[in-house]
Amino acid sequence: DAKTTQPNSMESNEEEPVHLPCNHSTISGTDYIHWYRQLPSQGPEYVIHGLTSNVNNRMASLAIAEDRKSSTLILHRATLRDAAVYYCILRDVIQNTGTASKLTFGTGTRLQVTL
Amino acid sequence: DTGVSQDPRHKITKRGQNVTFRCDPISEHNRLYWYRQTLGQGPEFLTYFQNEAQLEKSRLLSDRFSAERPKGSFSTLEIQRTEQGDSAMYLCASSLDGLPFYEQYFGPGTRLTVT
Repeated sequence: DAKTTQPNSMESNEEEPVHLPCNHSTISGTDYIHWYRQLPSQGPEYVIHGLTSNVNNRMASLAIAEDRKSSTLILHRATLRDAAVYYCILRDVIQNTGTASKLTFGTGTRLQVTL
Repeated sequence: DTGVSQDPRHKITKRGQNVTFRCDPISEHNRLYWYRQTLGQGPEFLTYFQNEAQLEKSRLLSDRFSAERPKGSFSTLEIQRTEQGDSAMYLCASSLDGLPFYEQYFGPGTRLTVT
C-alpha cells in the first residue's frame, strides 16, 4: 500500500486559512488522493478528493503538486467546528470490484482551532 | 434516510465472551465496509461486502472474527472468544457503486471494551 506522511498536529486561529500538508512520494499514476476528517466521537467523513488537478468543493480546496508527490488541503476560513483529525489517504482499489476501495488511514493531523 | 447506523453504540464484555455488532447502511448503498480503530490511531480496514458477497478480508480479521451481509442490506460483525486486544471502535461505512467520487459514508461506530 502506498503511504502518506502528515504532521501530527497543527493550530489555527478562527477565521484564518489553514493549509494541511501531505507527502505521498510513492504515489502511482492511478492513485486518487482522498481527504477525510474525523470530529471527536464521530466516524470519519469525506472532505475532498483529486487525481491531478486542483479541486474545490463547499468544504475545502485540494492543491496537488505537479509531480503528485505532495498535496495540501486548504480550509479557507477555519471555524471551531473544523477542529478534527484530518487524514490524507491514497485510494487502494479492491481487486475485481471495479471501483471499490479500502481506505488506509495513517495517524492524520490533529487540527486545533482557537478563538 | 439519516445515514449509516450502528448498534450498539457501546459494548462492555468480559474476556472470552462472544459479541455481535450490527450495521445498517444507507438504504440504496450496495457496498459495505468494516473498519477498526484503536485509541490514537486511524481506522484500519477489516472487510468489504459488495451486495451480499464478502469480496475482501484483511489479515487483521482473525478466525475469531466473522462478518455477514445475508440479504445485501444490513451487516453483522461477530467476535468470538473476545480478548482484551479486541477493545476498539468498530466502524461501518457504506457507498454506492456508480457514484462519481466513491465516497464512503461512515457510521458513528460501536465502542467495544473487553475487561
